[in-house]
Order: sequence, then C-alpha cells, then structure tokens
Amino acid sequence: SAVISQKPSRDICQRGTSLTIQCQVDSQVTMMFWYRQQPGQSLTLIATANQGSEATYESGFVIDKFPISRPNLTFSTLTVSNMSPEDSSIYLCSVPGGQPSSYNEQFFGPGTRLTVL
Amino acid sequence: AQSVAQPEDQVNVAEGNPLTVKCTYSVSGNPYLFWYVQYPNRGLQFLLKYITGDNLVKGSYGFEAEFNKSQTSFHLKKPSALVSDSALYFCAVRDVRRGFKTIFGAGTRLFVKA
Repeated sequence: SAVISQKPSRDICQRGTSLTIQCQVDSQVTMMFWYRQQPGQSLTLIATANQGSEATYESGFVIDKFPISRPNLTFSTLTVSNMSPEDSSIYLCSVPGGQPSSYNEQFFGPGTRLTVL
Repeated sequence: AQSVAQPEDQVNVAEGNPLTVKCTYSVSGNPYLFWYVQYPNRGLQFLLKYITGDNLVKGSYGFEAEFNKSQTSFHLKKPSALVSDSALYFCAVRDVRRGFKTIFGAGTRLFVKA
C-alpha cells in the first residue's frame, strides 16, 4: 500500500483567489489521480496526472481552472483557480496499487477540505 | 458507459446483526469491482475487490462481497455488525477495456446502533 499526504488539510478562501493543493506519496508511482467530492456526493475524477506528460482531464474539467503539475514520481499539485463557492469540496489525491500492468485498487490521501466564501 | 448504483442512501442495523449494503453496476466488458469505506474526516480506504475467480471475496475488517454476474450486483456483507463499522461506503467499478478510470457510486451511509 501507499501512504499519501496532502497539504493543506483544509482552507477557507475568498472567491476569485486560487489555492494549490499538494500531494506527496511515499513511493514512486507513474499515475496519480485527482478527485473532487462535493458535499454529500460521490467522488468525481478531475484528471489523471502522469509524470512527464500533460494531465488528462475528464469531461467538465479544464486545465485553466484546475492546472496540475507532476514534477516527479512522488509529488503532484492541483490548483483550483479563480474560485467560486461552487468549488467548495473535498479534493482527494489517489494512486493505484499493484503492478503497472494491472493496477487494481486505489489508495487515497486524507483529502483537502476547501470552503470558498 | 460504465455506471454504479447504490440504491440506499442509508442503512441502519443493530450491533451484532448481519448487514448488507447493495451495489449494482453496468459495464460493457468484464468488471473490476471494489468497495471503499470513508470514516468521518478521513480519506477513503480500500476494503475489498473482485477481479476474477471465486464470486465471494473477503476483505478487511470482516467484510465480504458476492459478485453476481447475472444480477450485475456486488453487495457488501458482514455477518455481525459493529458500532465502529458506521461510516460511508462506496462501491466502484472499472471496465478494464476502458483503461484505469474507476467510477464510484453515490455512497451508502451505514449506521450501526448499540
């Protein structure tokens, strides 16, 4: 299993500002995922971040709003740009378990609880 | 398109009684199925998975789940519930023909009363 930490654990931000969330993994992983969990809802995949390439965004999410960096195999950042109250969510970083040829379950960070006023 | 349904928003059970949390799925190919649990103020934790083989899979904390292909279901079960099992449970599915994207259900909140 992988141990994942996220910073910050929570934040309260003003609309129109940006917040960068950091995700650190205790082992090298090719693939990392960023999810959003809105209040009372399930997880929605924002993007998949592979080291050395551009992140792949899911439908409804764009790079200008959620830029992602992946400078190495243990670290990634997600920025929530020009925030509005609708961006208030828990943001989760995740990595797959198992061998790259057969990734199965995923491991999740503790999440970053964002509130936008 | 792949999808997951958890028909119950909430399940209430008394401690010591058996519990079932329901999940049905829809994928075009062979599914990989998962259950995750989320305790208050904590991230998701992996409970168990079905990839292939025996339809009954056992996981962490005494939980098990049964894969039923004809009913496209993957219900989570435990013979005797504990108060500490109270949490939010997510079923998830991955269609292996569509890469590594995993779809999560809406979640079922389990309350176990002492």
